[in-house]
Amino acid sequence: DIQMTQSPSSLSASVGDRVTITCRASQSVSQYLNWYQHKPGQAPKLLIYTASNLQTGVPSRFSGSGSGTDFTLTITSLQPEDFATYFCHQSFSIPPTFGGGTKVEIK
Amino acid sequence: QVHLVQSGAEVKKPGASVKVSCKASGYSVTTFDISWVRQATGQGLEWMGWMNPQNGNTAKAQNFQDRLTLTRDTSIDTVYMELSGLKSEDTAVYFCAREIRYSGSFFESWGQGTLVTVSS
Repeated sequence: DIQMTQSPSSLSASVGDRVTITCRASQSVSQYLNWYQHKPGQAPKLLIYTASNLQTGVPSRFSGSGSGTDFTLTITSLQPEDFATYFCHQSFSIPPTFGGGTKVEIK
Repeated sequence: QVHLVQSGAEVKKPGASVKVSCKASGYSVTTFDISWVRQATGQGLEWMGWMNPQNGNTAKAQNFQDRLTLTRDTSIDTVYMELSGLKSEDTAVYFCAREIRYSGSFFESWGQGTLVTVSS
């Protein structure tokens, strides 16, 4: 199975900050890497698919980049509604696997 | 608007089975594959298995080969996940997710999650 490692596991940031979360795969997943936002008690929400494609309806302050083994989710100008847990997901091979999550908290 | 609505929380004893439903609204459940993913408290997400609701084909993660049953009732746009031989380690929130295969694949919509607690 492909192992997905996210960093950091948590971070504290202020509204307006630029936030960067990384996801590293134990082997190449090409560009088949997706990012989700998850708030407690809610359904996870797709943000970015196939490394850099913004899902419809997701604000443009979210962006994704990378390929192969190293990927990045960037939030420019963090908003109050962005405080949540973010996780990556590789769909290159079965079983699909997920990163451990990054909890973004208010500083 | 697409929604996946899951059944409510369950409390089960070790050795029992649990069956969780996932009802699609806003589209026909036969149109896209459905995966099941779980998250134990403080743990990461774990993919359990996948179903093609149109033809009933399934694939399961190795950890769940013997205990997981995925079924569907297309007449009510609902898929089901049944896990047998429950252990305390199966205590988790279980999610269904609609999988889109376009430029790779991704989980485009998720259910709200169903908490399953296994306790004697």
